[in-house]
Amino acid sequence: GEDVEQSLFLSVREGDSSVINCTYTDSSSTYLYWYKQEPGAGLQLLTYIFSNMDMKQDQRLTVLLNKKDKHLSLRIADTQTGDSAIYFCAEDWGYQKVTFGTGTKLQVIP
Amino acid sequence: KAGVTQTPRYLIKTRGQQVTLSCSPISGHRSVSWYQQTPGQGLQFLFEYFSETQRNKGNFPGRFSGRQFSNSRSEMNVSTLELGDSALYLCASSLRSATEFSGNTIYFGEGSWLTVV
Repeated sequence: GEDVEQSLFLSVREGDSSVINCTYTDSSSTYLYWYKQEPGAGLQLLTYIFSNMDMKQDQRLTVLLNKKDKHLSLRIADTQTGDSAIYFCAEDWGYQKVTFGTGTKLQVIP
Repeated sequence: KAGVTQTPRYLIKTRGQQVTLSCSPISGHRSVSWYQQTPGQGLQFLFEYFSETQRNKGNFPGRFSGRQFSNSRSEMNVSTLELGDSALYLCASSLRSATEFSGNTIYFGEGSWLTVV
């Protein structure tokens, strides 16, 4: 199957950490991505992880991959109001066919 | 360098008409793909082109078509528009070449907002 699932909504207070979760169904995917979409804009690539990695850290972002459970998470440390957006996880099927999750709307409360 | 450029940004069409959307990839990127984003269906893959050849296609009816030119610019066309075709159409480009997974990431444009009335 090609379903990638995410919770629809997450609300956090400014300064707290945010954790956005994603489950995917095909373990043969080689790359998994996190994209950010602000209102009226396209998708901005935040980070990606190769499937043979467990963790990747990039400044305030930490990606954790549990391949056995097909679970991917994105942790944003010290969440800011500018982080408010919709976050999509995505899995790469090759030939640029990427299956996106349903998106998680992150609301940051000042 | 310039990002992925899509035109037009906004357009309104009537049911039954056809529409052509344009995408200019990042310079040097030869792979271009198209996605449809709707509130109900989310982001869905339409098709991908590399060196003027369609390499992959999603589950959309034949009314949706595309092409790529020798300069890597791409167009997608939707004929006989339906109300359900109202969506944000996103184009993405990548350095990805003949290998299936080359590790080159995908960059998206701002999208073209199509409203069908």
